[in-house]
Amino acid sequence: GAVVSQHPSRVICKSGTSVKIECRSLDFQATTMFWYRQFPKKSLMLMATSNEGSKATYEQGVEKDKFLINHASLTLSTLTVTSAHPEDSSFYICSVQGGGVETQYFGPGTRLLVL
Amino acid sequence: AQKITQTQPGMFVQEKEAVTLDCTYDTSDPSYGLFWYKQPSSGEMIFLIYQGSYDQQNATEGRYSLNFQKARKSANLVISASQLGDSAMYFCAMREGRGTGRRALTFGSGTRLQVQP
Repeated sequence: GAVVSQHPSRVICKSGTSVKIECRSLDFQATTMFWYRQFPKKSLMLMATSNEGSKATYEQGVEKDKFLINHASLTLSTLTVTSAHPEDSSFYICSVQGGGVETQYFGPGTRLLVL
Repeated sequence: AQKITQTQPGMFVQEKEAVTLDCTYDTSDPSYGLFWYKQPSSGEMIFLIYQGSYDQQNATEGRYSLNFQKARKSANLVISASQLGDSAMYFCAMREGRGTGRRALTFGSGTRLQVQP
């Protein structure tokens, strides 16, 4: 079964609105979750590292005020795209590292389309 | 410099034949892990195989095997007996560092594999 879930799987919104994406670790507690973004026909790019109970760590070039991350519990991290614009349209996917170094579980992803 | 390089944007293979997808990596950390993922059109990332830098043997998982050449810093994925369902995007990725520290993966640009009947 799924180890990581994401909701919603797909969202269409108007420019200027905010969108919240949830990432849940189903099988184990996750003090750290990762958020990636993937543009069409491109690779996954790390946006930020979400840390339970503390501030997220953002990659260079990612606006922390635009992509708000909250990791309030050991099983849930949320990514909020604030004042979304068409250029924010992308596939957002979260991941969790499992108990072993060889594991890295991904959520099913969220397709965001901003009109 | 690119940490993960996949030089084949697209590959074709006949059904039932084997195919090798190339991946080279760059790191100065002696401890690292290499991953291969399959991404079908649905977008989900399907884990295929893992190779640790200290692993003595090449990793294998069913029809997938990893040709790990440490000195050349390459970690090619070999898919044997290709099936139509293998058609997808394939990503090579690396995690640097030792132990259970939570670190993200760095991905290559991917290779689109198309299996032909």
